[in-house]
Amino acid sequence: GAGVSQTPSNKVTEKGKYVELRCDPISGHTALYWYRQSLGQGPEFLIYFQGTGAADDSGLPNDRFFAVRPEGSVSTLKIQRTERGDSAVYLCASSLQGGEQFFGPGTRLTVL
Amino acid sequence: AQSVTQLGSHVSVSEGALVLLRCNYSSSVPPYLFWYVQYPNQGLQLLLKYTSAATLVKGINGFEAEFKKSETSFHLTKPSAHMSDAAEYFCAVSRAGGGADGLTFGKGTHLIIQP
Repeated sequence: GAGVSQTPSNKVTEKGKYVELRCDPISGHTALYWYRQSLGQGPEFLIYFQGTGAADDSGLPNDRFFAVRPEGSVSTLKIQRTERGDSAVYLCASSLQGGEQFFGPGTRLTVL
Repeated sequence: AQSVTQLGSHVSVSEGALVLLRCNYSSSVPPYLFWYVQYPNQGLQLLLKYTSAATLVKGINGFEAEFKKSETSFHLTKPSAHMSDAAEYFCAVSRAGGGADGLTFGKGTHLIIQP
């Protein structure tokens, strides 16, 4: 596809469960970003990859959150022992280095 | 750390009137500043960006913003509002002052267009 895609579009899980959220960036984009947007708030930075490595993971809220990008393309955001406070829309963006960030449609995570 | 403050969570203007959405920033390094728009049920879309070149930046859909260092502001304007401009608008600053970094967003301003 032409844009950033994220799957699933919606995820409902129970408190304490493990979830994985996937992001497919625009082909050729070297940089990939994860953000979290709670209701009524602006997106909150989580982590930024340049290639396969995390260039800045200082936005991850705690050690229950982890993200990987093993081949420098697709990325997975992993959340362990989910809590109700993790409910939000998780946004992924990609860019050519230094260029405009293109955002995906997001994954809406609901933790019951 | 870099931050932005958007004044007014909701702004209402009449169709055809001037749109002014306010953003003030705080940055320890020369900032890269952005305005994004989010239409209902759609992803974030870049309107315009400031990257230390011209202080008056023109974007898509007739929007523009002026970087004022003395006022630490980057307000977004459009001379004549259209019904299709109704959306959520976010101001953002690059976290580390460069173009490749993650962004710190404001809380957003919901723009309402009255017919």
